[in-house]
Amino acid sequence: AQKITQTQPGMFVQEKEAVTLDCTYDTSDQSYGLFWYKQPSSGEMIFLIYQGSYDEQNATEGRYSLNFQKARKSANLVISASQLGDSAMYFCAMREGSSGTYKYIFGTGTRLKVLA
Amino acid sequence: EAQVTQNPRYLITVTGKKLTVTCSQNMNHEYMSWYRQDPGLGLRQIYYSMNVEVTDKGDVPEGYKVSRKEKRNFPLILESPSPNQTSLYFCASSFGNPNQPQHFGDGTRLSIL
Repeated sequence: AQKITQTQPGMFVQEKEAVTLDCTYDTSDQSYGLFWYKQPSSGEMIFLIYQGSYDEQNATEGRYSLNFQKARKSANLVISASQLGDSAMYFCAMREGSSGTYKYIFGTGTRLKVLA
Repeated sequence: EAQVTQNPRYLITVTGKKLTVTCSQNMNHEYMSWYRQDPGLGLRQIYYSMNVEVTDKGDVPEGYKVSRKEKRNFPLILESPSPNQTSLYFCASSFGNPNQPQHFGDGTRLSIL
């Protein structure tokens, strides 16, 4: 069954350090997409980064990068130079499906706390 | 301003009283979706729609109905709400290309007593 697993319920990181949030996925589809979203304490969902299953390069967006290891079925989010404003819940999500219809599966999330 | 608008933001109601949560987007997105968020479970997809008059079940559709009569609107209907539907609900939309991120509404917190 298709599944997203985030094994770290909570993490701490010191300000200005890098942190990796883990995400593994399981799918039988060849075509899929992987997304990371941030949910601050205010509750909104903010898109961070996307990786397609056929993309050969790891995605990067500013301080965010996605460490995509297809054979291991992992799509870890790396945040460089952490800031206090990075404290939030982070969700990994997978878009699966083909033939013009697709659905999304989210992980259970990792709560990140950045320490001053 | 590009946005997904949900109403109401908060609702406390009683078991069995039909309710509708509205969702509207102004970005001409083809894809719209409803999620519920529960502690420890992340977000779970309830229903989604690829375009007008095209809807399909997500992972947790039981107890919910949707319709997509217009491209911009995607209401979520609870015909006979029960306490286990107490949750935080999000509507989201995106363009039809599968690499497009979803834009989320601000959420609706429902409490069913």
